[in-house]
Amino acid sequence: AQSVAQPEDQVNVAEGNPLTVKCTYSVSGNPYLFWYVQYPNRGLQFLLKYITGDNLVKGSYGFEAEFNKSQTSFHLKKPSALVSDSALYFCAVRDKAPKGYGGSQGNLIFGKGTKLSVKP
Amino acid sequence: EADIYQTPRYLVIGTGKKITLECSQTMGHDKMYWYQQDPGMELHLIHYSYGVNSTEKGDLSSESTVSRIRTEHFPLTLESARPSHTSQYLCASSEFGYGYTFGSGTRLTVV
Repeated sequence: AQSVAQPEDQVNVAEGNPLTVKCTYSVSGNPYLFWYVQYPNRGLQFLLKYITGDNLVKGSYGFEAEFNKSQTSFHLKKPSALVSDSALYFCAVRDKAPKGYGGSQGNLIFGKGTKLSVKP
Repeated sequence: EADIYQTPRYLVIGTGKKITLECSQTMGHDKMYWYQQDPGMELHLIHYSYGVNSTEKGDLSSESTVSRIRTEHFPLTLESARPSHTSQYLCASSEFGYGYTFGSGTRLTVV
């Protein structure tokens, strides 16, 4: 079965420092990978996705993620953290599609989430 | 910015009451979902739909029910609320092959 793991419940970073939020995946076939962010009392917002192509994917708010096939990882990164980046971050992978549907039509499977705290 | 709307945002209700959480989207998406989110953050898929008259149960067993009579509307109903139903409920929609768009959520408290 497809799955993702976020090994850190919480990441603490000082403002201005680079940040990394880790995600590893397990899939059969080619992975469709996503990152979402959730601010307090809000729904999840899409940050970026990897379907195919360049291993470095650029997304919203200055975030990027690096797809590493050999390490089965899709870590989220930002060169310089802001206090306003403090939020919950979720990695997701697309599940296999049900019978009769194409490969891009499976549901997303979300990781458990990582709380990012950026201190001034 | 959000084209998917959930009402109410907050609901405090007594045990045994029937409740319906509303979710509507204006994007014409075929697929819609309901997630339950723990206080500890994790998301659990409880229902999804591939289109009108299609509903499926998700990975987490839930006493709630859903209906999909119109493309844009995917309400969730609890016939008899219990304190164990206290949680945040998130609705989402997607086009086939793309990522999800989430609503802002309904925070339900059953007392």
